Formats: sequence, C-alpha cells, structure tokens
Amino acid sequence: ELKVEQNPLFLSMQEGKNYTIYCNYSTTSDRLYWYRQDPGKSLESLFVLLSNGAVKQEGRLMASLDTKARLSTLHITAAVHDLSATYFCAVGTNFGNEKLTFGTGTRLTIIP
Amino acid sequence: AAGVIQSPRHLIKEKRETATLKCYPIPRHDTVYWYQQGPGQDPQFLISFYEKMQSDKGSIPDRFSAQQFSDYHSELNMSSLELGDSALYFCASSLALRVSGNTIYFGEGSWLTVV
Repeated sequence: ELKVEQNPLFLSMQEGKNYTIYCNYSTTSDRLYWYRQDPGKSLESLFVLLSNGAVKQEGRLMASLDTKARLSTLHITAAVHDLSATYFCAVGTNFGNEKLTFGTGTRLTIIP
Repeated sequence: AAGVIQSPRHLIKEKRETATLKCYPIPRHDTVYWYQQGPGQDPQFLISFYEKMQSDKGSIPDRFSAQQFSDYHSELNMSSLELGDSALYFCASSLALRVSGNTIYFGEGSWLTVV
C-alpha cells in the first residue's frame, strides 16, 4: 500500500525566511503533484513533477523530485503572509487513470 | 477559464437519509474523480471514471455509488448517511493522463453535514 508522508505537519515561520517541506513516498512513482489548500477551499494545483530531477519554480515556491530517493521537496523563499495555507503533496499511481494518494499536509503559517 | 463545477455547495442531511452530489468537469476533460476530505484530514480517493466507465475504485463505502453520464457530468449518490460521512467532497477532472503532464483540477467541493 502506497504511503505518502509529509513533514513537518505544522510550520510557523517569519516573513522573509526560507524553509522546505518534505514529501516521502513508499513505492515507485514518477508523478508527483503539489497542491495548496486554504481553509475550507478547493485544492489549487501548484506543480506537476514527472521525472527524476525535475525542478519547477513559480514565484517564491520551488518544487523538486528525486524518484530514486522517493522524495519531493517544496522550497519557500522569502516567505510572505499570502503563502499561509495547507500544502499537500500527492503521488500518482495507475498511469493513464490517475488515482492520487495525498500526503498528510503541511499547515504553513507565515508570521509578519 | 472554466473550472470544475460542483453542486450543491452545502447540504445538511439527517442520518439514514440520501444525498446526491453533482459534478460538471472542465469541458473536454474525459476523466472524473471523487475525493472525500474529513475535517483536518487529507483527501481520500473514492472513485474515478474515464469516458463514462468506472476506471478505479478506492475507499468508497458500499452505501455510495457514482456514475458518469453521456455529457460527462458525474453524480455521487450516498445512501443511509452516517454521522461519519460529514466531510468535504471534491470532484476533480483531467484530460486522459496517458498524455503525461496533465494537471488534475479540483472543484470547490460540496460540504455535507449529517446530523
């Protein structure tokens, strides 16, 4: 059974600081997704990572994938308050009909 | 751009009642997924459809059923509701993921409260 673990589960950081969220998964997959969720809201797609060594950046967020280590990271640079949200990684299986297994989520709070 | 449309956004049902959630995928998307997210939990996969055929099944209770219609919209039917069914139910859609790199887009969700 595929397990997806994120850490930390909770993260409070000051504005302007850098930090990294880690996502480990237990079985082979070459498709990893990052989503953002505000409380009670939808899941907003941030990144789709499809191959070993993939790196994508959007604004202050950068995601990477190491399929050999079964690890993805979401790096936050110079955090701003607007980034406060819960971030989920999700691993895709059954290529061609994607069932996503989500991580536990990281609740990020940016403190002014 | 058009997004995944879900209805109703909120509903309150009593135990043992039945509820139906509707989902209209993004136009031209041929795959629909249903997820359940309990309070403070991560989303859990329920079921998916590709080209109107059920393609995968997750932790969906036997009391729940779903289908995708000829116009690609999907409905999730939940019967004999229990308190534990209270959750945010997401529908998502995508183009066939045989074409790699396609994003899975989520709707705003339907809040179900069972009292």
